[in-house]
Formats: sequence, C-alpha cells, structure tokens
Amino acid sequence: NAGVTQTPKFQVLKTGQSMTLQCAQDMNHEYMSWYRQDPGMGLRLIHYSVGAGITDQGEVPNGYNVSRSTTEDFPLRLLSAAPSQTSVYFCASSLVNTGELFFGEGSRLTVL
Amino acid sequence: EDKVVQSPLSLVVHEGDTVTLNCSYEVTNFRSLLWYKQEKKAPTFLFMLTSSGIEKKSGRLSSILDKKELFSILNITATQTGDSAIYLCAVEAWTNAGKSTFGDGTTLTVKP
Repeated sequence: NAGVTQTPKFQVLKTGQSMTLQCAQDMNHEYMSWYRQDPGMGLRLIHYSVGAGITDQGEVPNGYNVSRSTTEDFPLRLLSAAPSQTSVYFCASSLVNTGELFFGEGSRLTVL
Repeated sequence: EDKVVQSPLSLVVHEGDTVTLNCSYEVTNFRSLLWYKQEKKAPTFLFMLTSSGIEKKSGRLSSILDKKELFSILNITATQTGDSAIYLCAVEAWTNAGKSTFGDGTTLTVKP
C-alpha cells in the first residue's frame, strides 16, 4: 500500500537551478496539495488542486509552479531556486468528502 | 484569510502527566478542524471535529470543539515518552475544500 509517494527525499541545489519534486498517490484522491515546513512555522500551503486540470495558489506560491494532468500525479517545480526555499516539502492528498490529509514522507531541500 | 493559533508553542512534561493543547481559529464558512501528530517525518491524522461539544476519543487522547468560542483542545492523559511529537491543528472551510490552514504546532516533550 504505497499511499503518497514523494521523490527525491533529499536534494541540494545551487541558487538559480531548477528542479521538480515528484508526488504520486494511488488512493484515487481528488485533492492534492503541497506544503512547506520551516522550523517553528507549522505547514504553509504552496499550491493545491481539487482535480485533474485544476490548480490554485496557497499562502506562499511565489517561485513555484504546479500542474495536475492526471489524478495520480502532482509535481512541484522550482523555477529558479533561492536560499529562502530551503525547507522540508510535503505532498498531501485527500478525498473530497473528508478533510483528512494523507502525507508523503517529505522532501528535504537545501539551496546553497 | 483563515487563521489558526496554537498554544503553547512548546511544552515539557514528565511521564504520567496530563496535558492540554489549545487551538483557536478564525475561518469563514467553517467545515472541520483536524488534529495531526508529527514525529520524525510526515504528520499523521488524529481527529476530525465538525460539531460542537462532541468529544472524540482514541485511547489516552481526546479532543473537543467549541464552535461558538472558536477553539478546540487536545487532551493527552498519562503521557508516555512516545507521545513526544509536534501536534498540529488545521482548519478547513467549505468554500476552500481541499485547502487546509495549519497552526504553527505545539512541540510536546515527555521526559521519563
């Protein structure tokens, strides 16, 4: 039972580089979202999607892009990495009828 | 803008103590309040509360919601070292389904 799978688990980037964090879920959940977690700041929503082809911005969307071409996949793209994007990133999914989020294991990103 | 405030931010207790964690919120068109536990990796779901005054219970953990005063509490009785974690509170609105707003969390440390 895979649940929500995120890759990579760790990544080090140089300022200005781009990369994509992958997220896939096999639970047929309609909702998917990306959060970042910084020390002492809980989880902040970056982008979310209520279904394939539909995405919207969260609290901290600047510097990130998303797309949702299938129900299963919701990649997060960093266009030009900055040190302020050093964080732990979590992908989550849920059913439309419940609020319970299922989280991936997280991706720790360091931007030098 | 939805807002969630948790208190205290951190708490240190000894095994066997009882703790109460607080979560106050402001959200338009409230749908649900959720509690999560985060140990080393991803948050895991504890409770979802939608109605005032109805206690949710799981073992030594319990939670209740007050929709009039806009807060929830999470109680842990007879604490154990395995309860050491960050406890996160989140709210969801009907108008923003799929989008959860999190508080900064309470870091609980249980000493033997």
